[in-house]
Amino acid sequence: NAGVMQNPRHLVRRRGQEARLRCSPMKGHSHVYWYRQLPEEGLKFMVYLQKENIIDESGMPKERFSAEFPKEGPSILRIQQVVRGDSAAYFCASSPSGRSTEAFFGQGTRLTVV
Amino acid sequence: AQTVTQSQPEMSVQEAETVTLSCTYDTSESDYYLFWYKQPPSRQMILVIRQEAYKQQNATENRFSVNFQKAAKSFSLKISDSQLGDAAMYFCAYRLNTGTASKLTFGTGTRLQVTL
Repeated sequence: NAGVMQNPRHLVRRRGQEARLRCSPMKGHSHVYWYRQLPEEGLKFMVYLQKENIIDESGMPKERFSAEFPKEGPSILRIQQVVRGDSAAYFCASSPSGRSTEAFFGQGTRLTVV
Repeated sequence: AQTVTQSQPEMSVQEAETVTLSCTYDTSESDYYLFWYKQPPSRQMILVIRQEAYKQQNATENRFSVNFQKAAKSFSLKISDSQLGDAAMYFCAYRLNTGTASKLTFGTGTRLQVTL
């Protein structure tokens, strides 16, 4: 059973470009979370999705950021018109539906905006 | 809102010795989970140990154990017989038990160095 897969591992974008980060949850998992880790800081919650639904987006910036988890395919975190302050590691975690107590993390995508 | 505080930005321990990492949290809820995650240089977040708030017994996983003080809202991690491979960032995290999956709230982390 493959773990949570994130790609790319590293992404470089120029200011003003779009960044698309992908997350394939573990097989059988229908809950996906996105977290952002700024340098020398802990992970901060961004958004929680189930298949085709956004459950909690209380940690998402109001502009330029969006997330989806379609019925088929990976979850996508999209950042439009990136700025230098978006440079960070973005982590995805997944858990099975129901009363799971643990979320399994991917290895993250490190976004660098130049 | 729940908050998690780790007051030790860095800690150092000699190989084979014991070290304790501190964590405090603030919540008005009574049913929740607490976690310690390890993040080595590879950035992979690895679950070290988990504690359920309604269980009084402290969780233990091999060389890792916790001291959970619910009234004091304290959740420290003890690493015994430290090994070089234990060197990493350690994050304390909180999760409300809503009956379904919910988000984690992390502390700012403690960087653990292990010396020979």
